[in-house]
Amino acid sequence: QSALTQPASVSGSPGQSITISCTGTGSDVGAYSHVSWYQQHPGKAPKLMIYDVSNRPSGVSNRFSGSKSGNTASLTISGLQAEDEADYYCSSCTSSSTLNWVFGGGTKLTVL
Amino acid sequence: EVQLVQSGAEVKKPGESLKISCKGSGFLFTNYWIGWVRQMPGKGLEWMGIIYPGDSDTRYSPSFQGQVTISADKSISTAYLQWSSLKASDTAMYYCLRRGSGSYYFHYWGQGTLVTVSS
Repeated sequence: QSALTQPASVSGSPGQSITISCTGTGSDVGAYSHVSWYQQHPGKAPKLMIYDVSNRPSGVSNRFSGSKSGNTASLTISGLQAEDEADYYCSSCTSSSTLNWVFGGGTKLTVL
Repeated sequence: EVQLVQSGAEVKKPGESLKISCKGSGFLFTNYWIGWVRQMPGKGLEWMGIIYPGDSDTRYSPSFQGQVTISADKSISTAYLQWSSLKASDTAMYYCLRRGSGSYYFHYWGQGTLVTVSS
C-alpha cells in the first residue's frame, strides 16, 4: 500500500489561505468518503482536524475546511495564524472490510 | 475524559524483545478498536494495525504483518504492541489511537512511546 501523495511543504503569510492536496487512487481516496486530516506540532501527538472529507470535530477552528474531488482530497486553512505552523497528514481508509488505513507523507506548513 | 496513556520510552539492543502498552480510560475499552501507528525519526505516519479488545479481532497492515504482534487485555483496558526480535530500523515513535464507533478516523491518540534500538 503506497502512501498518499502530499506536497512536502507549503507556506503562507498570516491572514492568507493555503491548500494542501492529498492524492491517492480509486482504491482509497477515490473509493471512500473517509478522508481525515491530522495536525502535528513538533514533539506532539497528531490531532484530528477534519474527518469524513469535510467535517470538523468540536473545538477545531472553522478556518480549517476539507474537500475531495475524485482521487484527490484537500485541506484548506484560511486566515493563517502563526499557531497553524505544523505538519499535516491526510489519511484514508483503504478497506472497510479488512480495516486498513493509509497516511500521506505529510506536509510541512510554514507561516512566514 | 477519554485518555490513552502509553508506557515510557525504551532503549533496547538489536535482537531483544519488547512489549509496549497503551491504557485506555474514560470509555468502554471493549467497545472500541485500538490502532497503532509508527513514526520513524523525521518521517511521516505509517499505519501498523488495529485490534478490537472485545474479541481480540486483529487486523495488520500488509507492511507490518509478521513483524509485530498486537494484543489486548480487556480486563485492564490495555492494548499492546510487541516485537520478538528488534532491529535498528524499529527505532521510532509509536502511537496508539482509538477508532470512533463505526467511524474511519481517530479522534484520540496516546502521547507516544519512543523506542530506540541501538547496539
